[in-house]
Amino acid sequence: KAGVTQTPRYLIKTRGQQVTLSCSPISGHRSVSWYQQTPGQGLQFLFEYFSETQRNKGNFPGRFSGRQFSNSRSEMNVSTLELGDSALYLCASSLDSSSNEKLFFGSGTQLSVL
Amino acid sequence: GQQLNQSPQSMFIQEGEDVSMNCTSSSIFNTWLWYKQDPGEGPVLLIALYKAGELTSNGRLTAQFGITRKDSFLNISASIPSDVGIYFCAGRSPSGNTPLVFGKGTRLSVIA
Repeated sequence: KAGVTQTPRYLIKTRGQQVTLSCSPISGHRSVSWYQQTPGQGLQFLFEYFSETQRNKGNFPGRFSGRQFSNSRSEMNVSTLELGDSALYLCASSLDSSSNEKLFFGSGTQLSVL
Repeated sequence: GQQLNQSPQSMFIQEGEDVSMNCTSSSIFNTWLWYKQDPGEGPVLLIALYKAGELTSNGRLTAQFGITRKDSFLNISASIPSDVGIYFCAGRSPSGNTPLVFGKGTRLSVIA
């Protein structure tokens, strides 16, 4: 069974640009979560999608948005990029969004904003 | 929001030594997960715990779900060089659809 696939692996953008990151969950998984990871800050929750609906949202500005498609694939978008948005963006999938489900992570997209 | 305090932040140990790290929460959880992250990769699930007092092993790794439901522990026995990495605890609240909350990680270095 293929794992969680994130594309692209690396991305370099400049301030003010926008970016779209893609995530394909494990086959059969319907819940997708996104996390931002920066050095020293650990993993900060961005949002969670289940059956094309946003179930939870973290404390990030409106520049961060996402969506989920009918095949459970998900995208996240960051508009008007700032230097502080440089981070590893991790996508994780689980079977559903019940409280006992384990999250399985992709390798992440390393975003650098110059 | 919920806070997870993970300690220690970093550890330098000799190969063959045992390692202990822990995580405490300001509120109760009904799920504790432990992950390991290698450089440039996403976290990989090591152990999942679902009941207070539960003790679960995965090879040389053993994790426990604290009785108070506000803490969890991870032990690594007889460490080897490939144990190097960042270990994260994560927990989920029993109240509704809440996201998994992560600690800030314990960076483990093993000296051969």
